Amino acid sequence: TQLLEQSPQFLSIQEGENLTVYCNSSSVFSSLQWYRQEPGEGPVLLVTVVTGGEVKKLKRLTFQFGDARKDSSLHITAAQPGDTGLYLCAGVPGTASKLTFGTGTRLQVTL
Amino acid sequence: DTEVTQTPKHLVMGMTNKKSLKCEQHMGHRAMYWYKQKAKKPPELMFVYSYEKLSINESVPSRFSPECPNSSLLNLHLHALQPEDSALYLCASSQGRRTVSYNEQFFGPGTRLTVL
Repeated sequence: TQLLEQSPQFLSIQEGENLTVYCNSSSVFSSLQWYRQEPGEGPVLLVTVVTGGEVKKLKRLTFQFGDARKDSSLHITAAQPGDTGLYLCAGVPGTASKLTFGTGTRLQVTL
Repeated sequence: DTEVTQTPKHLVMGMTNKKSLKCEQHMGHRAMYWYKQKAKKPPELMFVYSYEKLSINESVPSRFSPECPNSSLLNLHLHALQPEDSALYLCASSQGRRTVSYNEQFFGPGTRLTVL
């Protein structure tokens, strides 16, 4: 059973388009992280959301944590080729002791 | 210094070889992790060290042997691997306390391992 389901799995868009990636779970998380991973590299932490309903912005990226702390979304405005990569949400559910990664969303932005 | 370093970057080994992967961080983090990542999949946790002690072993085969010589270093010793063990091996570190920061893991660039 995958605790964190991401959608879509794959997204191919053109430069300048907007997109939203979803991360859903039936479990409550004390916090959720979003990472971006480029081919052949390790994931890079983008943001941590902690409070239900919280919205954080990182330049053209907007992250939101669901009110019930069971889901999160990542919205990218005016996507650029440099946004290409694997986007992973991750968190520690309930009383668990290890980080669970989402299923991943592979984004490709073309000129 | 917010970097986690890993060596080597690439490794090709035969099934009878013994090799080691190395990881180092100087952020004062007290939790360190080994992950295995197959192509187009999320990382899978292998081991967690907390304050230099092994706290989680995700039922990893004994041909993988972790070692934490001190709070900055993490090794993964490899012996008699199988071709299906070929993957990207990632090291990560985080704060060693149960706070929000504990879940924020900083990853190294990984070692691309190929087992022939």
